[in-house]
Amino acid sequence: DTGVSQNPRHKITKRGQNVTFRCDPISEHNRLYWYRQTLGQGPEFLTYFQNEAQLEKSRLLSDRFSAERPKGSFSTLEIQRTEQGDSAMYLCASGHRGQGYTFGSGTRLTVV
Amino acid sequence: GENVEQHPSTLSVQEGDSAVIKCTYSDSASNYFPWYKQELGKRPQLIIDIRSNVGEKKDQRIAVTLNKTAKHFSLHITETQPEDSAVYFCAAISDGTPLVFGKGTRLSVIA
Repeated sequence: DTGVSQNPRHKITKRGQNVTFRCDPISEHNRLYWYRQTLGQGPEFLTYFQNEAQLEKSRLLSDRFSAERPKGSFSTLEIQRTEQGDSAMYLCASGHRGQGYTFGSGTRLTVV
Repeated sequence: GENVEQHPSTLSVQEGDSAVIKCTYSDSASNYFPWYKQELGKRPQLIIDIRSNVGEKKDQRIAVTLNKTAKHFSLHITETQPEDSAVYFCAAISDGTPLVFGKGTRLSVIA
């Protein structure tokens, strides 16, 4: 494993379009986290999985956001009907319960 | 839920001086406190962490202290170098919950 991998690195989309991001965690980590980071702010928690179970979703995660982790391996984060306010860096991280995370390089989303 | 406050938001030091960044947390159940360094355009990287059963931890030029009673913890960087320039984030977690991050401190080390 070389770390947490995220694709794509950058995504530019028109307002109203749907986008999907992918995260491949470190294989031995059973927890996978999604965070959002805007300029000048710390990462804000969105949701996390333990294996394939989605255990918690932040109130930041509107109905337009959905995340999956089929088979407890990679995860996808989909945003439907994108809005300009969705523009941010979407960070994925993996780790074990009660420990620090390893972050991916993120997907930078720009909604125009 | 947990709330983490971090200050200062920006910090400039002369090369070779020390830098201190402070964080407070609200949830007395929090028991793990990592620090991340994020260089421009890069991912946050874990640089040091401390658990609630320890008061201080050191790794070369970096140290972290924890005061559980006051619910605050600090990052200390000694003999700062230009490559220490970055944004530093503190975070807190209680067993099983997701990390809650502070808003970050932009450290500039002036050569």
